[in-house]
Amino acid sequence: GAGVSQSPSNKVTEKGKDVELRCDPISGHTALYWYRQSLGQGLEFLIYFQGNSAPDKSGLPSDRFSAERTGGSVSTLTIQRTQQEDSAVYLCASSLVGQGLNTEAFFGQGTRLTVV
Amino acid sequence: AQSVSQHNHHVILSEAASLELGCNYSYGGTVNLFWYVQYPGQHLQLLLKYFSGDPLVKGIKGFEAEFIKSKFSFNLRKPSVQWSDTAEYFCAVKLVGDMRFGAGTRLTVKP
Repeated sequence: GAGVSQSPSNKVTEKGKDVELRCDPISGHTALYWYRQSLGQGLEFLIYFQGNSAPDKSGLPSDRFSAERTGGSVSTLTIQRTQQEDSAVYLCASSLVGQGLNTEAFFGQGTRLTVV
Repeated sequence: AQSVSQHNHHVILSEAASLELGCNYSYGGTVNLFWYVQYPGQHLQLLLKYFSGDPLVKGIKGFEAEFIKSKFSFNLRKPSVQWSDTAEYFCAVKLVGDMRFGAGTRLTVKP
């Protein structure tokens, strides 16, 4: 597609439920990033993928969070047993890295998650 | 992993004042540097970027930034701010694929 697409745009879930957030990066972009932005806070790094592998998972807040990327394209961020403190905007970005190319990260519009 | 520090949490200026937002990073290797802006209700967009070459880079809307390698800094500047520059500004550092952001600086420009 023309840009990074995230779905859903908004998600309201009950505490304890699992949620899946989806990111479609720009076609051909090799790197994919997930960040979390809480009200009044900066961008908290969660995880990034180079291809389908995640070199650094240290940003995931707890073992309730997991992410995968398949086919070097779509990524899913899963939060199990959601808690109220998980409420935030989850941002996805992608960039082209490798083969002598390197670009900035392009961001999606985010998924606003509210846990009630 | 590298870390990024932005010195100012909230900056308030009057229109036509000059702006400088500080950004320092911790990694000593070859990095790419960026400033992003987030206007109220909008998603992040790129202001400017540095990959190599001239350490003084110019971006959109009259913004510029200077990379000072010896100081591990990449400060953002604008000679004369406008009310429409009210937004949150994020510095970012990219090492190969890994990309980290600072905590952000909220800029409020009073008309």
